[in-house]
Parts: sequence; C-alpha cells; structure tokens
Amino acid sequence: NAGVTQTPKFQVLKTGQSMTLQCAQDMNHEYMSWYRQDPGMGLRLIHYSVGAGITDQGEVPNGYNVSRSTTEDFPLRLLSAAPSQTSVYFCASSRDGGNTEAFFGQGTRLTVV
Amino acid sequence: AQRVTQPEKLLSVFKGAPVELKCNYSYSGSPELFWYVQYSRQRLQLLLRHISRESIKGFTADLNKGETSFHLKKPFAQEEDSAMYYCALLRRGGSEKLVFGKGTKLTVNP
Repeated sequence: NAGVTQTPKFQVLKTGQSMTLQCAQDMNHEYMSWYRQDPGMGLRLIHYSVGAGITDQGEVPNGYNVSRSTTEDFPLRLLSAAPSQTSVYFCASSRDGGNTEAFFGQGTRLTVV
Repeated sequence: AQRVTQPEKLLSVFKGAPVELKCNYSYSGSPELFWYVQYSRQRLQLLLRHISRESIKGFTADLNKGETSFHLKKPFAQEEDSAMYYCALLRRGGSEKLVFGKGTKLTVNP
C-alpha cells in the first residue's frame, strides 16, 4: 500500500541546474498538490491539479513548473535552481480536494548551493 | 484574506499536563478546518477535522465561530505527542485549496 511516493528523498543542486521532483500516487486521487516547507513559514502551496490535464498556481509558483499527464503522476520541475528554493518539498493527494483527507509523501529535502 | 494563524511557534509542557495549541482563522463563509500532525521522521498526516467532531489520540478541537478559533486540546499530554502540528483551512472559490498555518512544535517533557 504505497500511497504517495516522492523521489528523490534528498538532492543537492548547483545554482542554475534544473531537475524534476517526482510524485506518484496509487489511490486514484483526482487532486494533487505540491507544498514547500520552510522553518517559520509552515507549508506553502506551490502548484496543484484537480485532475489529469489541469493545473493551477498556488501561493508561491515562481520558479516551478508542473504538468499532469496522468492521474497518478504530478512532477514538479525546477528550471533554474536558486538558493531560495532550498526547502523540503511535499507532494499530497486527496480524493477530490474538498473536505477529504490529504495524504502526503515523505518529502524531498532539496539544497541549492 | 483567508488565512490561518498559529501564534505559537514552540510549545513545551510536562507529561500529564493539559495542552492547548491555538489556531485562529479568517474566512468569509463557513470554514472547514483540520489539524495535521508531523511526528519526527514521519510524513504529515491528518489528525482530525472539525466536521467529524471526533477525538483522536485524546485530542479534540472545537470550532468557535465567534472567536474564529479552532484550538487543539488534550487534557493529559504524553511524550509521544511531541510533534509539529499544523492547523489548516479549506479555502473554496474556484478550485479548493488547503491553506496551512505556520505550525506549532509541541514538546512534551518527561
């Protein structure tokens, strides 16, 4: 029973490099989202998707791109990493984004040097 | 603006003492509120939601619309309650979004 799986768990990037954080869920959830967690800032929504082919911006979308080609996968792309993107990233999914439980991945700790 | 405020970054209590983690919200309409918890080295998980009016692991939270609060309470704290606690608000309008507070780190001392 995998739930929400994120890869990698840890990553170090140099400024300017690009990379993709992977997120997959096996619960057939329509709603998926990406958050970043920073000390003293809590969780802030980056991007979200209400279903395959549909994405939208959250509170802090700059510097990140997403796509949702399948129900299962919701990758987060950093096109040109900056030190300000050093953070812990969480992917979450829920059945319909409404008043239903959100299930979180274990997180990706990203450091940009 | 629709937001969630958790005024305490850190909260420390002794085992067996009552604990209250504060959460205030601003929202126009009927709010839907949650408490999520993150134990050390574990993923974030739902603790409880206000519509269920349930008690999980001895924790309860009552929605007070007059005070716009959704404080999390437990009468007798245990060491295993030490964790990061996040209050969250479901923001409707267009697509629904879960908005989190900044979190409170609870430490229960032996």
